[in-house]
Amino acid sequence: ETGVTQTPRHLVMGMTNKKSLKCEQHLGHNAMYWYKQSAKKPLELMFVYNFKEQTENNSVPSRFSPECPNSSHLFLHLHTLQPEDSALYLCASSPTQRLGGNEQFFGPGTRLTVL
Amino acid sequence: QKEVEQNSGPLSVPEGAIASLNCTYSDRGSQSFFWYRQYSGKSPELIMFIYSNGDKEDGRFTAQLNKASQYVSLLIRDSQPSDSATYLCAVTAGALNFGKGTSLLVTP
Repeated sequence: ETGVTQTPRHLVMGMTNKKSLKCEQHLGHNAMYWYKQSAKKPLELMFVYNFKEQTENNSVPSRFSPECPNSSHLFLHLHTLQPEDSALYLCASSPTQRLGGNEQFFGPGTRLTVL
Repeated sequence: QKEVEQNSGPLSVPEGAIASLNCTYSDRGSQSFFWYRQYSGKSPELIMFIYSNGDKEDGRFTAQLNKASQYVSLLIRDSQPSDSATYLCAVTAGALNFGKGTSLLVTP
C-alpha cells in the first residue's frame, strides 16, 4: 500500500448505528487530519493530530470521536449521526504541522450516507 | 472568520490555451498557499504550493503569490482536456482553510 488509504470507501448507516472510519498513511508523516466535504461547501477541517496528540478540534459535535493510536493510523468513530452528516469524509497527512512541511496528501475518502 | 474566496466557475478554455485561476484570502497572517486539483468523485490532489511572493513554476503550472494584495493564482499553460477538474485553493496560518473551488473545463 502506498500513500493514504481509507476504509470503508462507502458506508450507509442508520441514525442509531455505531461505525468507525479508518485511515492509514504510509508516507512516514507525523500529522493527520479529518475533513468533511459536503456538496457546494468548502472542505471543513474537523480534527488534527500531530505526533499522536490532538491539536485541533474544530467545534465538531461529540457524535464524532477521533482516535489516533500512532502516527500512521487515524480513526473516526461515529454514533447517533444525523442525515445532515452525510458527506465525503477525507483523511489527510502531512510531514508536520509546521510551515515548510505542512503540505497535505489526501486519502480517497469515505462516502457516508446516514439514513 | 478566515475566508478563502474563489470564483466557482465554470471557467471554460479551449485546448492549448492558458487557464488562469484566482484566489483571495482574508487572513493577512497566512504563510502557506496550496493548489489542489479534484476530479469528480475523487479526493483532492496537491499540485502546487508556494510560500514566498512571486512566481513558482512546475511544468505547465505556475503559482503566483502577492501577499500585499492577499491574492494567489494558478496558471495552467497548454491546457488539456485532462485538466478539466475543480481546483481548490488552500491557505494556512495554522489550520488549512479551503476555498469552494473553481470548476475548469478544457474543451477540445
